[in-house]
Amino acid sequence: DIQMTQSPSSLSASVGDRVTITCQASQDISNYLNWYQQKPGKAPKLLIYDASNLETGVPSRFSGSGSGTDFTFTISSLQPEDIATYYCQQYDNLPPFFGGGTKVEIK
Amino acid sequence: EVQLVESGGVVVQPGGSLRLSCAASGFTFDDYAMHWVRQAPGKGLEWVSLISWDGGSTYYADSVKGRFTISRDNSKNSLYLQMNSLRAEDTALYYCAKSYTTGTTSLFDYWGQGTLVTVSS
Repeated sequence: DIQMTQSPSSLSASVGDRVTITCQASQDISNYLNWYQQKPGKAPKLLIYDASNLETGVPSRFSGSGSGTDFTFTISSLQPEDIATYYCQQYDNLPPFFGGGTKVEIK
Repeated sequence: EVQLVESGGVVVQPGGSLRLSCAASGFTFDDYAMHWVRQAPGKGLEWVSLISWDGGSTYYADSVKGRFTISRDNSKNSLYLQMNSLRAEDTALYYCAKSYTTGTTSLFDYWGQGTLVTVSS
């Protein structure tokens, strides 16, 4: 099984700050890496697929990069509506493990 | 508009059984693989099971293999999860999720709102 290690588990930042979350796979997954946003009490929402592709309708302040085992998710300018938990997920192999999540809060 | 609506979640005793349903609309259901993903209270996301577009291939997480069965009825645009021998650790919000492409990819582009299963005596 391919394990996903996501960090940090939580962060607090100010509106307008640049926020970065990292995700490391236990083995090479090429670019089969997705990022989801989950707001409190809501279902997850796909933001980024295949490491760097922005899902339709997702604001351009969200971006992703990386390949192989190391991946990065960035919010270029944090907005109040971005308060959520963010998850990475690999889909190179079954089972498609998720990272442990990063809870983003406003300072 | 794609809609996935789960139902069937209740409080059930350990060792009991339950069948979850997911009603799909807004897309050609029998073109896509479907998944169940769960989330224990206050915890992260855990993939549970996958079924191919025609029901011919199914896959399970080790934690549920042999106890859960995924199925679908394309004539009713519906996905199911039969859950047997339930344990306390199966307590979670269960989401159905649609595959992004027509293959058995585990990239989820739409999710339902979830149905809560509580296993407790």
